[in-house]
Amino acid sequence: QLQLQESGPGLVKPSETLSLTCSVSGGSISDTNYYWGWIRQPPGKGLEWIGNIYYNGASHYNPSLKSRVSIFVDTSKNQFSLKLSSVAAADTAVYYCARLLVRTVALDYWGQGTLVTVSS
Amino acid sequence: SYELTQPPSVSVSPGQTARITCSGDALPKQYAYWYQQKPGQAPVLVIYKDNERRSGIHERFSGSSSRTTVTLTISPVQAEDEADYYCQSADISGTFVLFGGGTKLTVL
Repeated sequence: QLQLQESGPGLVKPSETLSLTCSVSGGSISDTNYYWGWIRQPPGKGLEWIGNIYYNGASHYNPSLKSRVSIFVDTSKNQFSLKLSSVAAADTAVYYCARLLVRTVALDYWGQGTLVTVSS
Repeated sequence: SYELTQPPSVSVSPGQTARITCSGDALPKQYAYWYQQKPGQAPVLVIYKDNERRSGIHERFSGSSSRTTVTLTISPVQAEDEADYYCQSADISGTFVLFGGGTKLTVL
């Protein structure tokens, strides 16, 4: 059974960089049938797609976040990572990692999510 | 910018039929997907490619599409179906993912 687990600091100061890692178990991040993505959800609000990455590093980002976002993949560790720079209070959210099926945008497996609070 | 529009809330009594709609200009060209999210939990994919039920999802859940609108139907609704439901699709190029604003289903 595929499992995804987010990890990283739960508290980030304004203007700093948010960094999270998603560890994948029960499957290979190099599987050519899937992209790997990040989605966030501010408290009490809806879902927002952040971006996706393929095992070879090809990526797509939400245009509204593109100037601040980078997603990386480490196939040797079966992990992928998110960096969001210059954070503000509006970036406070539960951050989820998930798997996307290639040629669709179906998110078939999700991590449990991790709350990141931006505060001084 | 492209958007997917859902009603904020839908209320139904147990045993009745709930219909949640999602509208977007690219939906005739891009598949839609539906997710159920219960409080404190990650979303769960229930419908993919407009009307395919994911394995393990109860047959009470179904999806349909008509031009620029897709619909998630739950019939008959049960108390355990109370949750937030999100539609999801892609922009016309198929590159960018987007979500609808979500619909809170209340079972009266």
